[in-house]
Amino acid sequence: KQEVTQIPAALSVPEGENLVLNCSFTDSAIYNLQWFRQDPGKGLTSLLLIQSSQREQTSGRLNASLDKSSGRSTLYIAASQPGDSATYLCAVGNFNKFYFGSGTKLNVKP
Amino acid sequence: DTAVSQTPKYLVTQMGNDKSIKCEQNLGHDTMYWYKQDSKKFLKIMFSYNNKELIINETVPNRFSPKSPDKAHLNLHINSLELGDSAVYFCASSQDISVNQPQHFGDGTRLSIL
Repeated sequence: KQEVTQIPAALSVPEGENLVLNCSFTDSAIYNLQWFRQDPGKGLTSLLLIQSSQREQTSGRLNASLDKSSGRSTLYIAASQPGDSATYLCAVGNFNKFYFGSGTKLNVKP
Repeated sequence: DTAVSQTPKYLVTQMGNDKSIKCEQNLGHDTMYWYKQDSKKFLKIMFSYNNKELIINETVPNRFSPKSPDKAHLNLHINSLELGDSAVYFCASSQDISVNQPQHFGDGTRLSIL
């Protein structure tokens, strides 16, 4: 059974800092991996989706990498801003469902 | 326009009661989902429907019964509510059942059992 782990559970950084969020998964037979953002009291917003054949995806200040063989993905956020404060979840796609990690709660201090 | 909308946003009720949560999507998607997010923030799939047909039933107790009257709606009815049912329930939709399609989430329904 697929298990997804995210470390750290919480992270606090000053504004402007570059940061990396980590996601690991136990079964490397995945279709894709997706990073989501969750704001308090809100649903999830998809940030980046990496297919199993890809190594990375970029959107603006965000860059997600995937190393399927080692069961790892990272989300790199450049020049962090207070508006980036949220919980970030990764989800591994296997056939027709996603397995989610418990998220990293990010706080970017002004 | 809200893409995926759930009602109610908050639901506080007594143990043993029966309650329903409604979900509607206006994206024209074929597939809809129910997820449960527990206190530790783990999000787990409960059900998925594709064109009103049940695709995934992830070993959820029989007290939970989803109903899809049409592909734009997926409601969740819960009988005999228990303390352990307290969680945030999210509805989501995607173009089809493939995980290669991005999922769009509602804002969640926070269910609290007294």
